[in-house]
Amino acid sequence: QSVLTQPPSASGTPGQRVTISCSGSRSNIGSNTVNWYQQLPGTAPKVLIYSNNQRPSGVPDRFSGSKSGTSASLAISGLQSEDEADYYCAAWDDSLNGHVIFGGGTKLTVL
Amino acid sequence: QLQLQESGPGLVKPSETLSLTCSVSGDSISRSGYYWVWIRQPPGKGLEWIGSIYSSGNPYYNPSLKSQVTISVDTSKNQFSLKLSSVTAADTALYSCGGGFSVMGDSWGQGILVTVSS
Repeated sequence: QSVLTQPPSASGTPGQRVTISCSGSRSNIGSNTVNWYQQLPGTAPKVLIYSNNQRPSGVPDRFSGSKSGTSASLAISGLQSEDEADYYCAAWDDSLNGHVIFGGGTKLTVL
Repeated sequence: QLQLQESGPGLVKPSETLSLTCSVSGDSISRSGYYWVWIRQPPGKGLEWIGSIYSSGNPYYNPSLKSQVTISVDTSKNQFSLKLSSVTAADTALYSCGGGFSVMGDSWGQGILVTVSS
């Protein structure tokens, strides 16, 4: 089964800009859109970014997404303490009759 | 805005079938274009997609779970359900239901912890 690769951890200080990467392949990120999810401790995941770079209403514009080739990135600018959470990327994969794959998750620490 | 709530037993015995229901409010489960999704998260681990079912009824399952999983929709109750057969301790996880226009899920319930143990 295909896998999306994320760094296990990232960190930054308040006000900084942090980027989280998500690396895939032609059958997933290379062919389909990417969603990003934020999971605060003890809560359900929340969509931060859909269709590579679209923000649902209510998500601050400090969060942005991009995609290039078989990789995607989530950028958080003006880092705040409440951004400390786990972040996951996800994409549809065309192999094996099609399925959704998640990245392994990145734990963001605000120092 | 979609609201989703999982329900079902919190304890299942090994080799038995795990059965969960997701109650949907805020929109019709029959709304064209919607996907209904189940994911799970084992304690201390990442998210795993279990499967999605399209509003037309076509299901898509995680290849590694396909032989165990059934997702179905009950339009009369505005609910959809998950059945996972022949469970083992490895199936212990927080199970969450979701829905929306994305096959990956847009809105999520709070989740229900299911423990597989005798």
